[in-house]
Amino acid sequence: NAGVTQTPKFRVLKTGQSMTLLCAQDMNHEYMYWYRQDPGMGLRLIHYSVGEGTTAKGEVPDGYNVSRLKKQNFLLGLESAAPSQTSVYFCASSLRGQGDTEAFFGQGTRLTVV
Amino acid sequence: AQSVTQLGSHVSVSEGALVLLRCNYSSSVPPYLFWYVQYPNQGLQLLLKYTTGATLVKGINGFEAEFKKSETSFHLTKPSAHMSDAAEYFCAVSNTGGFKTIFGAGTRLFVKA
Repeated sequence: NAGVTQTPKFRVLKTGQSMTLLCAQDMNHEYMYWYRQDPGMGLRLIHYSVGEGTTAKGEVPDGYNVSRLKKQNFLLGLESAAPSQTSVYFCASSLRGQGDTEAFFGQGTRLTVV
Repeated sequence: AQSVTQLGSHVSVSEGALVLLRCNYSSSVPPYLFWYVQYPNQGLQLLLKYTTGATLVKGINGFEAEFKKSETSFHLTKPSAHMSDAAEYFCAVSNTGGFKTIFGAGTRLFVKA
């Protein structure tokens, strides 16, 4: 049981380049999330999805786009990377969207924009 | 609006000593509270959660936390630290009808031999 898998694990981009981060979950969860983790700031929600074909903005959505074409996949795109997007990105999923539900996290993608 | 404050970005204890990681929350409705742990180069995993019922919650690896409504706190404790407990710990809050979990800034726990 793989749980939540993120690809790639590490990436270095030049300013202005684009890339897509892939998240895949095999738990048949409806809800998926993308967070960024920065020192001293905890996790901040970028975008989330409540089901296949749906997406919504989180706390810090600017500069990112997402797509959920298949229930098991949630893609995070950076169209024109900026140094401020240097961070560790985590994907998560949960069975329900209710507040008492545990989220399952991937291992993270460490992105550096130079 | 909900918020979470973790007191102390770094906590250092000796092996065998008590671990106490502090978390205070703000919520206008009854909260759901969580503690997650992140080991180096890994994602977050759930340690324990409070939803309803008993206010003392036991989690994995000997950790427990007590929900104190009057103090708006959910501090994490472990009677005796082990070297393998060295990690970053995140307190989080959510509530009924919402699924946007708010995370604290995290507390890094160091365990000295």
